[in-house]
Amino acid sequence: EVQLVESGGGLVQPGGSLRLSCAVSGFTFSRYSMTWVRQAPGKGLEWVSYISGSSSTIYYADSVKGRFIISRDNAKNSLYLQMNSLRDDDTAVYYCARDSGIGGSDDFWGQGTLVTVSS
Amino acid sequence: QSALTQPASVSGSPGQSITISCTGTSSDVGGYNYVSWYQQHPGKAPKLMIYAVSDRPSGVSNRFSGSKSGNTASLTISGLQAEDEADYYCSSYSNTNTRVFGGGTKVTVL
Repeated sequence: EVQLVESGGGLVQPGGSLRLSCAVSGFTFSRYSMTWVRQAPGKGLEWVSYISGSSSTIYYADSVKGRFIISRDNAKNSLYLQMNSLRDDDTAVYYCARDSGIGGSDDFWGQGTLVTVSS
Repeated sequence: QSALTQPASVSGSPGQSITISCTGTSSDVGGYNYVSWYQQHPGKAPKLMIYAVSDRPSGVSNRFSGSKSGNTASLTISGLQAEDEADYYCSSYSNTNTRVFGGGTKVTVL
């Protein structure tokens, strides 16, 4: 059974940093690209970042470029999102998802972890 | 990275068919056959319903179908059921190697 479990969310002050983790199981992690998607309270989905299986290809949304860093450790079956210079509008539930490999669709999602940026 | 345009809400009675539109540009929806649709119930993670415009993942009911014409993609739910009441989001690959989501459509079963 494919499982993705996010952790690391919480309350952080504006300008602060936070590192999210996503532990996966049930599939060969290194063979799949992964993505982070976020959802502000009461709002729609927003794509955040993408990383290929080998970490050789990485993309970011303009809204987080230069502040967030996506990474993975295939030996630990884990995906990460280092979030720096956090702003109020980064407040959201952050989901990790498995890229299906077909046209940018994500076929399995975690339950999400809430990040709240507030003073 | 502008969001795709979806209607805010669509409603229908049980058994009816409804269609949700998703309008983008030639840089995303119109340029690639890489449109996906997700269903999200309140407090839950999104679930992939359609990928590559019209393909269904294993386990998704054939009451859900997708199509595309030009810069507009569509999701049709036939034989509407109470359990279909949820938010639906379209997503497309973009020419900037990113993805873009629609604003979401709330489906109400009357």
